Amino acid sequence: NAGVMQNPRHLVRRRGQEARLRCSPMKGHSHVYWYRQLPEEGLKFMVYLQKENIIDESGMPKERFSAEFPKEGPSILRIQQVVRGDSAAYFCASSPYPLKTNEKLFFGSGTQLSVL
Amino acid sequence: DAKTTQPPSMDCAEGRAANLPCNHSTISGNEYVYWYRQIHSQGPQYIIHGLKNNETNEMASLIITEDRKSSTLILPHATLRDTAVYYCNLIQGAQKLVFGQGTRLTINP
Repeated sequence: NAGVMQNPRHLVRRRGQEARLRCSPMKGHSHVYWYRQLPEEGLKFMVYLQKENIIDESGMPKERFSAEFPKEGPSILRIQQVVRGDSAAYFCASSPYPLKTNEKLFFGSGTQLSVL
Repeated sequence: DAKTTQPPSMDCAEGRAANLPCNHSTISGNEYVYWYRQIHSQGPQYIIHGLKNNETNEMASLIITEDRKSSTLILPHATLRDTAVYYCNLIQGAQKLVFGQGTRLTINP
C-alpha cells in the first residue's frame, strides 16, 4: 500500500504564474488535509476535504488559493498569481476516517514551492 | 484543540532515553493525546497516541499522568535519526490537527 504521494516534489514558478500541487491519498482514504510550512516556521493547517466536499477551509488565504478533491483523481491545491511569500513547503495528509474517530494522519513528503 | 505546552528544545545523548514532556492542564475527558514528529524537511510522522493508559509501540512509549494534565513521550534508546521536532496535540471531536511549536530534540553523539 503506497503512502501519500505528492507531486511535484519541487516546483519553481515566477511571480504571477499558477502553481498546482497534487496529492494522492493512501488507498482507501477519503479525507485529505493540506498544510503549509513557511521557512523556519511551524506547520499551518490550510484546508480539510472529504471526497468532493470542502469541510474546513479556515486556514486558506481568502484570495488566490483553492483546493479540490474530485471523485476521481488526486486532490489539487491551486495557487493563482503566485507571489514570493507563497514560497513554502506544502504537505498533504490523509486518513480513512475523520480525526474525531480516534484516527491518525499519514503525511506525504511535501512539495517545495519556490517563487522567483 | 485544547492548548498544550512543550519546551522549545531539548538535548539527549545517543543511546540514552529521551523524555519529552507535554503539559495539557485543560484536557477534557474524551481528548486523546497524540504525538507526531517532523524530521528536517520531511512530512510529519505519527508516533503514538493514548487516552488514559500508558501506551507502547515499536517507536516509543507514552506515559500519561493519572490526572491526565501532562504526559511524557519516551524514546527508549535515542539515535541520531531521532533528531526532529516533536509535537504533542490533543484531539477529540476536532476536524483538523493543529500543530503547536513543538520541541526541537537534538540527539548528540
